[in-house]
Amino acid sequence: KNQVEQSPQSLIILEGKNCTLQCNYTVSPFSNLRWYKQDTGRGPVSLTIMTFSENTKSNRRYTATLDADTKQSSLHITASQLSDSASYICVVSRDPNNAGNMLTFGGGTRLMVKP
Amino acid sequence: DSGVTQTPKHLITATGQRVTLRCSPRSGDLSVYWYQQSLDQGLQFLIQYYNGEERAKGNILERFSAQQFPDLHSELNLSSLELGDSALYFCASSVGGAVSYEQYFGPGTRLTVT
Repeated sequence: KNQVEQSPQSLIILEGKNCTLQCNYTVSPFSNLRWYKQDTGRGPVSLTIMTFSENTKSNRRYTATLDADTKQSSLHITASQLSDSASYICVVSRDPNNAGNMLTFGGGTRLMVKP
Repeated sequence: DSGVTQTPKHLITATGQRVTLRCSPRSGDLSVYWYQQSLDQGLQFLIQYYNGEERAKGNILERFSAQQFPDLHSELNLSSLELGDSALYFCASSVGGAVSYEQYFGPGTRLTVT
């Protein structure tokens, strides 16, 4: 069973609008959580990486939040652009003592921004 | 451009065959990760090497193997191929071996098994 669930599976928004993508996880013990952007047929590109103690992290128009108590994260995209059309993938790492690198990927949210 | 290179870009082969995928990490990166991305399963972590040694294993099948060479490039060998092995295979690299390091992904190799 995949321990990282993302919602929605897909989303269509108009250019200029904001949107929020969700990621819930049950991976334990938690090490860090990343958000990746993946254009179709290309490798993922990291947007943010957050550790247990971080609540919010921003990267240009992308803002990620993390609630380690409820095991939820969100990615907020502000003033969307056509180039934001991509899949957004949440990845949770379980590596408390650097003894292993178990990475669990969510299924992704496919975002389409329309003019 | 992430600085990670993968060859070949596309590969078409028949069931039962064996193929080798190649990855060159970014200059200075010691760690290499392999991932499989199929339509129905999303991205799956296969295996990680750090400075020539296997560091961690994910959902890698026994028919698959990998290695990292002294010049730090890595190869992923897939044997006794099945239709279900058709997927995008990504390599990523990072400077260190821990998951806290940023990973940079290559452009991927698209494998089609017919």
